Amino acid sequence: GDSVTQMEGPVTLSEEAFLTINCTYTATGYPSLFWYVQYPGEGLQLLLKATKADDKGSNKGFEATYRKETTSFHLEKGSVQVSDSAVYFCALRDSGYSTLTFGKGTMLLVSP
Amino acid sequence: EAQVTQNPRYLITVTGKKLTVTCSQNMNHEYMSWYRQDPGLGLRQIYYSMNVEVTDKGDVPEGYKVSRKEKRNFPLILESPSPNQTSLYFCASSSNSGTGGRGYTFGSGTRLTVV
Repeated sequence: GDSVTQMEGPVTLSEEAFLTINCTYTATGYPSLFWYVQYPGEGLQLLLKATKADDKGSNKGFEATYRKETTSFHLEKGSVQVSDSAVYFCALRDSGYSTLTFGKGTMLLVSP
Repeated sequence: EAQVTQNPRYLITVTGKKLTVTCSQNMNHEYMSWYRQDPGLGLRQIYYSMNVEVTDKGDVPEGYKVSRKEKRNFPLILESPSPNQTSLYFCASSSNSGTGGRGYTFGSGTRLTVV
């Protein structure tokens, strides 16, 4: 079945540092890939997505590129802010199916 | 505003006392789903519904029931709650149409404690 593996956290960074959160996946079809963000006490919000190989999703300074050859969708940001502190979830939605499969989430803590 | 509304946000109940968590969406989405979120386990799907009167089990359906009598509503029912159902619950919805590139819209969550 489909699965998503994320790096375990927490990831602790200083403000303005470079961020990478690794995500790899296993899927039977041609999935769409997503990153969701959960701020403390809130629900999940869609951060960015990519629907086919080599697509790059981007939003709020975050980027991720759909790499079919390495089955990866790593999240990056060039300069993090304290307000980026949150839990980040990688997810996939396989073609022809509606269920979204999530990774376990990675907590990011950014200090001033 | 397009949204998924869950109620209540917080609930403390006792073992065995039936409860219902409501979920409603105003986007005319066909697909709705319930997840629970637990530390170290991420989000796990409880039940989902592809459309009215069509529901199916997710990864952790034991102890839960759902119904989909109307397109907009998808309540989660715990007939006899137990302490291991203490968790943070999320409802989500999505359109079924087009490719898989449509993400979910999530509710704000329901923090349930069973004592």
